[in-house]
Amino acid sequence: EVQLLESGGGLVQPGGSLRLSCAASGFTLSNYAMNWVRQAPGKGLEWVSTIGGGGGNTYYADSVKGRFTISRDNSKNTLYLQMNSLRAEDTAVYYCAKYELVGGRFFDYWGQGTRVTVSS
Amino acid sequence: DIVLTQTPLSSPVTLGQPASISCRSSRSLVHSDGNTYLSWLQQRPGLPPRLLIYRVSNRFSGVPDRFSGSGAGTDFTLKISRVGAEDVGVYYCMQTTQSPITFGQGTRLEIK
Repeated sequence: EVQLLESGGGLVQPGGSLRLSCAASGFTLSNYAMNWVRQAPGKGLEWVSTIGGGGGNTYYADSVKGRFTISRDNSKNTLYLQMNSLRAEDTAVYYCAKYELVGGRFFDYWGQGTRVTVSS
Repeated sequence: DIVLTQTPLSSPVTLGQPASISCRSSRSLVHSDGNTYLSWLQQRPGLPPRLLIYRVSNRFSGVPDRFSGSGAGTDFTLKISRVGAEDVGVYYCMQTTQSPITFGQGTRLEIK
């Protein structure tokens, strides 16, 4: 059974940093691209970042480019999102999602999410 | 960026009746490989999103057959043939044809 479990969220001051983790199980992480998607309170979904299976290719939304870094450790079956220079508008629940590219470029499994609050 | 516009934003439906949600794209979602990468997600209250439909009309594993997707080019539709209480939530269309990946603003399905 595919499972994704995010952790690392919390309260952080503007300008601060946080690293999110997503522990994957039930599939071979290295075979799949992965994503981070966020949802601000009461709002819709916003794609944040994608990383290829090997970790060499990364993509970012303009809103986080230069501040966030996506990475992965396939030996630990874990995906990461390093978030620096955090702003109030980064406040959201952050989900990791598995990316099925071969079958049709869709996000087939999602984690439960971890909440990030940026506030002084 | 491709903008996905969903209508209606809110849909009150009677139990057992059908429901339909539209998703219109600002540009064609046909990829250079000939496929159209439009998905539908369901988000029940307090839960993460769940994949319902991928590549316009393919039901994901475990999704009831009362959910169906259709459309082409820039216009897409999600239909629920008979709405049940468990279908309450917000529905999103999503495109992965072109970067950046974008979502519709969501349609809230509620029971009358």
